[in-house]
Amino acid sequence: KAGVTQTPRYLIKTRGQQVTLSCSPISGHRSVSWYQQTPGQGLQFLFEYFSETQRNKGNFPGRFSGRQFSNSRSEMNVSTLELGDSALYLCASSPGQGASSTDTQYFGPGTRLTVL
Amino acid sequence: AQSVAQPEDQVNVAEGNPLTVKCTYSVSGNPYLFWYVQYPNRGLQFLLKYITGDNLVKGSYGFEAEFNKSQTSFHLKKPSALVSDSALYFCAVREAGGYNKLIFGAGTRLAVHP
Repeated sequence: KAGVTQTPRYLIKTRGQQVTLSCSPISGHRSVSWYQQTPGQGLQFLFEYFSETQRNKGNFPGRFSGRQFSNSRSEMNVSTLELGDSALYLCASSPGQGASSTDTQYFGPGTRLTVL
Repeated sequence: AQSVAQPEDQVNVAEGNPLTVKCTYSVSGNPYLFWYVQYPNRGLQFLLKYITGDNLVKGSYGFEAEFNKSQTSFHLKKPSALVSDSALYFCAVREAGGYNKLIFGAGTRLAVHP
């Protein structure tokens, strides 16, 4: 099976712009989660989508949003970019199941976003 | 609130020696615990997880981890380190009922010297 894919791998934007990142999960996986990784804050959970619905959300401002399509592919959008949004954005997929799922999440290679 | 602590920023080990990367957690209820490894400019690779059952969990690439409920720890171990094990290691916890939200530790950089 192909792994989790993320596009683009690298992105450079300027402050105030918006950006959309894409994630394609492993075939058959219905849950997609997004994480932000920075040297200062480490790995932080952004949100999770399952069957096109957001079912969990981290502590990020409303500038960070996402969506999931019927084929389970997910996009993450950041509006009005700030310098502090520079980070590696990782997405992870899993079969999904319920609130106490024991599934393993498998991560993609990430998108490196640089905000100038 | 759930949290994960990795008390060592870096662990240095000679090749062939055993290695331990430490992790402690705080969570209400039964924890689901995970170890991931990250190589430069790469995503996270899954190593192993503890859900329930035997306290010693075996994973990929010869790694294992020991779950200790009384000490709320989940240390990662390997009997004989390889130079290629040098990477950044993350411990994570998922609370039952928390869907797929993972809370990660700060990470421990493992350096294996020839």
